[in-house]
Amino acid sequence: GQQLNQSPQSMFIQEGEDVSMNCTSSSIFNTWLWYKQDPGEGPVLLIALYKAGELTSNGRLTAQFGITRKDSFLNISASIPSDVGIYFCAITGTASKLTFGTGTRLQVTL
Amino acid sequence: NAGVTQTPKFRILKIGQSMTLQCTQDMNHNYMYWYRQDPGMGLKLIYYSVGAGITDKGEVPNGYNVSRSTTEDFPLRLELAAPSQTSVYFCASSHGEHGNTIYFGEGSWLTVV
Repeated sequence: GQQLNQSPQSMFIQEGEDVSMNCTSSSIFNTWLWYKQDPGEGPVLLIALYKAGELTSNGRLTAQFGITRKDSFLNISASIPSDVGIYFCAITGTASKLTFGTGTRLQVTL
Repeated sequence: NAGVTQTPKFRILKIGQSMTLQCTQDMNHNYMYWYRQDPGMGLKLIYYSVGAGITDKGEVPNGYNVSRSTTEDFPLRLELAAPSQTSVYFCASSHGEHGNTIYFGEGSWLTVV
């Protein structure tokens, strides 16, 4: 199956700092999705990207669809404690089947 | 607002036992899915269904069976539980072909000992 590699694997940051993470693949995709998973919960969609080069924001979150269509980036500005969790990139195939990346675990310290 | 409901939330099974994870959705979605998530990993697709009476294998189907007799329900069956099936299981449903309409349940924690 498809392999989506996320980096970094984990991050420990202080409240108020900005965060950047990315997701890369060897294949081209038409849609990139970013999910967040809180401890003990299912993933929740944060941002969906549909066009190469597209930059989309959702509050303090900004995601970009790489121009090569093989990567995507997620930035979180001015992090707060509730940003803690695991962030997954995902691509969607036929019948909306999702392939998830390896995840970036974010810890925020006060 | 029920959305996607999974039961049980937690279960411990002995090796060789069988069980069914129940999943129901009240959004009239045609597409339903079962994913598993191992510790520190992303979710992997076990089985999916695009409508009542239609099911298909995902990436990791071995050791599992599913059925889709109604639009609302999509149970996942483990016939002979093995330690490798210790995982968190997520059911999900979707309105259509675009990945931005997928809704996940809260997960079922299964331990096989």
